[in-house]
Amino acid sequence: EIVLTQSPGTLSLSPGERATLSCRASQSVSSNYLAWYQQKPGQAPRLLIYGASSRATGFPDRFSASGSGTDFTLTISRLEPEDFAVYYCQHYGSSLYTFGQGTNLEIK
Amino acid sequence: QVQLQESGPGLVKPSETLSLTCAVSDYSISTDYHWGWIRQPPGKGLEWIGTIYHSGTTYYNPSLKSRVTISLDTSKNQFSLKLTSVTAADTAVYYCAGVDCSTISCYEAFDYWGQGTLVTVSS
Repeated sequence: EIVLTQSPGTLSLSPGERATLSCRASQSVSSNYLAWYQQKPGQAPRLLIYGASSRATGFPDRFSASGSGTDFTLTISRLEPEDFAVYYCQHYGSSLYTFGQGTNLEIK
Repeated sequence: QVQLQESGPGLVKPSETLSLTCAVSDYSISTDYHWGWIRQPPGKGLEWIGTIYHSGTTYYNPSLKSRVTISLDTSKNQFSLKLTSVTAADTAVYYCAGVDCSTISCYEAFDYWGQGTLVTVSS
């Protein structure tokens, strides 16, 4: 069973700064099946990235993602106030879905 | 745009069965999507419970497999979750979600989500 470990657990930054979030898999995974979600308080998660690097509808280009094998990264180039949220990575493999534990991106 | 809406009791007694339904709008559940349940205990992260394909094939989280059943009701365009023998550890917001596999590439990501429903297990 693949385990996804996200780091850091909490990231404290100011608007305008650059955010880099990490998702590490316990073994090599297919990039096609690596996704990222954004979740704001009291809301359902929202698909942000699919296929490791493709941005979902409605998200601006300050959001980007990359990675392969066991290491994946979500980058927000210049933080806007609405970007502060919890971010989860997710993987699909062998008919099972796995989520990372999340990174809480908070305002410093 | 696919819309999903969960419904069911907000309070379930320990040892009883949790039953939830997800009504799907603006898309037929019989075609090309995978339909799933995900839960989130208060203040914690996301846990995948299980998924059902439009064909009726099901896959479950191994940690919950012995207690979970997911089914489709094509006549009502909805799918359901049953979780037996619940305990306080099953208290969570339960989300239903859809994976869009209607195109050539299916990325197995949850494209659409319901708003979630809080289920509390307590006597």
